[in-house]
Amino acid sequence: DGGITQSPKYLFRKEGQNVTLSCEQNLNHDAMYWYRQDPGQGLRLIYYSQIVNDFQKGDIAEGYSVSREKKESFPLTVTSAQKNPTAFYLCASSVGRHSGANVLTFGAGSRLTVL
Amino acid sequence: DAKTTQPPSMDCAEGRAANLPCNHSTISGNEYVYWYRQIHSQGPQYIIHGLKNNETNEMASLIITEDRKSSTLILPHATLRDTAVYYCIVRVNQGGSEKLVFGKGTKLTVNP
Repeated sequence: DGGITQSPKYLFRKEGQNVTLSCEQNLNHDAMYWYRQDPGQGLRLIYYSQIVNDFQKGDIAEGYSVSREKKESFPLTVTSAQKNPTAFYLCASSVGRHSGANVLTFGAGSRLTVL
Repeated sequence: DAKTTQPPSMDCAEGRAANLPCNHSTISGNEYVYWYRQIHSQGPQYIIHGLKNNETNEMASLIITEDRKSSTLILPHATLRDTAVYYCIVRVNQGGSEKLVFGKGTKLTVNP
């Protein structure tokens, strides 16, 4: 079945450590996105990528980094510079901006807790 | 910033229709309206989208006003499993790129 796989589902980190969240899709989608969700809040865009080897900052990119070396993969690194990293992280993909509609497919999410 | 406005919460009786409103008064002529829902601690699930005409699929119906400034998502026979946060979204153009901006959505509670 086609879809998006995020791993790990749960992750604990000590303060000062970097951590990388994995996102893989087999939908042949060009565009991929990372969102952050805090309790009782909507989704906020961290980074997005419309094509391989290119990505743009979203609304809350500080303290995060991404890479897009392959079409299928868009890993997110939460660095020690992120002051409040505890959150639910969601990865999504879509066919891309060139299509009329831009329907997002989401992964199941990764819950990061900083101890 | 989100370009849509939704009520923070709504209640609906099981078996009745749930009508969720959304205002998007600044929508452009070629922008779609999308609806997603999120059940607690899961990834959002796509429901439906539309441009000008009303749309229907196996999950819901989408009614878009003629001036396109508002829309309503209709779940015709709500069940307890429809309890979720429902997001109404339009695309935002920023720096030549397009992205979907999520607001806080409407928390729908379906009561037995």
